Amino acid sequence: NAGVTQTPKFQVLKTGQSMTLQCAQDMNHNSMYWYRQDPGMGLRLIYYSASEGTTDKGEVPNGYNVSRLNKREFSLRLESAAPSQTSVYFCAGQREYAGELFFGEGSRLTVL
Amino acid sequence: EDQVTQSPEALRLQEGESSSLNCSYTVSGLRGLFWYRQDPGKGPEFLFTLYSAGEEKEKERLKATLTKKESFLHITAPKPEDSATYLCAVQERAGTASKLTFGTGTRLQVTL
Repeated sequence: NAGVTQTPKFQVLKTGQSMTLQCAQDMNHNSMYWYRQDPGMGLRLIYYSASEGTTDKGEVPNGYNVSRLNKREFSLRLESAAPSQTSVYFCAGQREYAGELFFGEGSRLTVL
Repeated sequence: EDQVTQSPEALRLQEGESSSLNCSYTVSGLRGLFWYRQDPGKGPEFLFTLYSAGEEKEKERLKATLTKKESFLHITAPKPEDSATYLCAVQERAGTASKLTFGTGTRLQVTL
């Protein structure tokens, strides 16, 4: 089992470019999450998906969109990247009715 | 709004020097409190879940405890391999996809 897999691991973008971060899990999790982690700010929730076909905004959704393609995959899209979106992005899966999240290794994004 | 405050921000210990990390929280109804370990360049790794005041859990040199307002992560006789950032998170008692709110973490360094 790979757990939670994120691609790409590293990406450099120019301001205004778009890109999609991919996340796939093989742990049969119903819920999936996207967080960003910045120095001194901790992990902040961008979007989450309680189940296949549903998505909801988290604490910092502006500038992002998500797609829950199927039970396994949950992607995060930046339509027009800004330097403020330079961060480390983590995808996580969660078992139904259990609290712990299982995280991927992260995607490190730099926007110039 | 859920709030999680961790202290200290950073802690340097000598090998064998026991100490505790603190996590203070404010949540309308606690479903669970979680401790994670994060190594540099990696995703957070789940350690413990605590559900009610008075509960304790142990794993090797780590013991987590919970009161109605805070949680402690006690580290007994730490080793250099315990060096990492330790994250605390709370989950509110609401909904089926219960998102976690994280603190900013305590960076622990254990030296020989």
